[in-house]
Amino acid sequence: AQKVTQAQTEISVVEKEDVTLDCVYETRDTTYYLFWYKQPPSGELVFLIRRNSFDEQNEISGRYSWNFRKSTSSFNFTITASQVVDSAVYFCALGSWGKLQFGAGTQVVVTP
Amino acid sequence: EAQVTQNPRYLITVTGKKLTVTCSQNMNHEYMSWYRQDPGLGLRQIYYSMNVEVTDKGDVPEGYKVSRKEKRNFPLILESPSPNQTSLYFCASSLSPGLDTGELFFGEGSRLTVL
Repeated sequence: AQKVTQAQTEISVVEKEDVTLDCVYETRDTTYYLFWYKQPPSGELVFLIRRNSFDEQNEISGRYSWNFRKSTSSFNFTITASQVVDSAVYFCALGSWGKLQFGAGTQVVVTP
Repeated sequence: EAQVTQNPRYLITVTGKKLTVTCSQNMNHEYMSWYRQDPGLGLRQIYYSMNVEVTDKGDVPEGYKVSRKEKRNFPLILESPSPNQTSLYFCASSLSPGLDTGELFFGEGSRLTVL
């Protein structure tokens, strides 16, 4: 069975601090897909990134970066120089052949 | 505009009264799925469909039914709603049936309360 663990329930930072969100997954599939989504207070789900299991390249997009390590089954997400607009719940998800499991989410609170 | 549309967005109903939450996408996507979001549990997959007339159970299918008669529509049916189905529901779609390309587009959510 697939499983996604986001052990951090809530992270509070002051603006401009960096914040790293952990995501650990379990799967027996050799081909799978990992996602990160942002859910701001308004409630919609905003796509951030998708990574295939055979592509371990790290990625940077502006202030966001992702570290994918198959050896530790982790797909961590870092926000550099956080801003108040980054306050949201962030979900990590694991998918394979239509099935998709989400972690419980990490609430990020950025204060000015 | 590319979008996933859910209706209704908000609904209060009573135990046992059948209801349907509609989901429609205009992107010609093969894959569609339903999730419920509950505090502390994240999103949990209810059902998914990789093509017309093909549906499969997710992690929490009990109490729900779905159908995929047309590519664009994937309604979620609660035959006899119960209070434990009070939740925020999201529909999503993706181009690839196996989720192997592209992103998963989500609807805006439907908040359902069962009294």
